[in-house]
Amino acid sequence: EAQVTQNPRYLITVTGKKLTVTCSQNMNHEYMSWYRQDPGLGLRQIYYSMNVEVTDKGDVPEGYKVSRKEKRNFPLILESPSPNQTSLYFCASSFMRLGGYTFGSGTRLTVV
Amino acid sequence: EDQVTQSPEALRLQEGESSSLNCSYTVSGLRGLFWYRQDPGKGPEFLFTLYSAGEEKEKERLKATLTKKESFLHITAPKPEDSATYLCAVQASTSGTYKYIFGTGTRLKVLA
Repeated sequence: EAQVTQNPRYLITVTGKKLTVTCSQNMNHEYMSWYRQDPGLGLRQIYYSMNVEVTDKGDVPEGYKVSRKEKRNFPLILESPSPNQTSLYFCASSFMRLGGYTFGSGTRLTVV
Repeated sequence: EDQVTQSPEALRLQEGESSSLNCSYTVSGLRGLFWYRQDPGKGPEFLFTLYSAGEEKEKERLKATLTKKESFLHITAPKPEDSATYLCAVQASTSGTYKYIFGTGTRLKVLA
């Protein structure tokens, strides 16, 4: 089944403890992206990637890192999480630059 | 500043009562406009892409249209299973970078 897989689905962590949210797609898509979704603010793009080793900042990149060493994987790294990064995170992928995205099921992160 | 605004925020319809959702945008370098459906606790599901003014796309009871300033998602004779949040997004090109900007969505409830 074609899909985007994120792990974990739920995560509670403490301020400052580094964490990684994994994202993998099995559709051989070149384009991948990370979003956070917050009530009243909608989905906001954190980072996106056009291909292996090619990434760029979205609208809210502060406090996040990404890497794209393989085409299928696009992990999101929070080096020192803070409570304002508590949110619902989605990874997504697309086979073309101007195409619709396939989204993962989301990761609900709580930073205390 | 690039902006996407959706209206209304929420909409309640009786089964069979047709209506339209609006997505207005102010962006430079529009490359595409996208509609998604999001069910509670899930990632957005891609519905349509529109690339130029005058373009229309249809899928079952849904029809999306695009002008130079806004897009409409027309829902004909909706059913309770059409209840969801409908998201609009635009892809804009600025200085060689591509950004994906979402609106905050319209929560649709269709009553049996």
